[in-house]
Amino acid sequence: SQTIHQWPATLVQPVGSPLSLECTVEGTSNPNLYWYRQAAGRGLQLLFYSVGIGQISSEVPQNLSASRPQDRQFILSSKKLLLSDSGFYLCAWRTSGGGEQYFGPGTRLTVT
Amino acid sequence: AQSVTQPDIHITVSEGASLELRCNYSYGATPYLFWYVQSPGQGLQLLLKYFSGDTLVQGIKGFEAEFKRSQSSFNLRKPSVHWSDAAEYFCAVGATGSARQLTFGSGTQLTVLP
Repeated sequence: SQTIHQWPATLVQPVGSPLSLECTVEGTSNPNLYWYRQAAGRGLQLLFYSVGIGQISSEVPQNLSASRPQDRQFILSSKKLLLSDSGFYLCAWRTSGGGEQYFGPGTRLTVT
Repeated sequence: AQSVTQPDIHITVSEGASLELRCNYSYGATPYLFWYVQSPGQGLQLLLKYFSGDTLVQGIKGFEAEFKRSQSSFNLRKPSVHWSDAAEYFCAVGATGSARQLTFGSGTQLTVLP
């Protein structure tokens, strides 16, 4: 069966520091991968998605970036964090021919 | 562009009572529709999905949803709520295109009274 992992689970970082969040999927090949952010009391905002290695689509302009160095690995990065980057970051995957997305456990990021 | 509206930000029901969470969507073609549930501090879990066919779909944990094209709705129902159903519920519509992105509603927080 397929599983999705995210780490770290929680992170507290000062403003201006770099960020790297990792997401990996097991048990499937060539998945579509997604990064979402969920601000407190709000819905989900799609940040990036990827349909293959090295293929990244950005949904919103911001100081975040994403990379997909391997088929089942998706990384969210920032060179300098802002206070507004605080939130709950969720990674999700979907089969390339499917419809529903499956979510990871999330990373709680607090920028101080 | 597609959009999803969940009119109820917060709903409170008593344990054992029936539940209906509302979801209205805007989409130019036949949509792919989903309901997800999120417990505090956790990821989203898929409850059920509608792609085509029977407009009444059954999901996990005793939930069901009915697709009504004429009303652009996909409401979630459960005949008898359990305390463990307290969580936030998200309706989502799927986009056409190769990546099949999802657009989520803003969520409905469900509180269950003992």
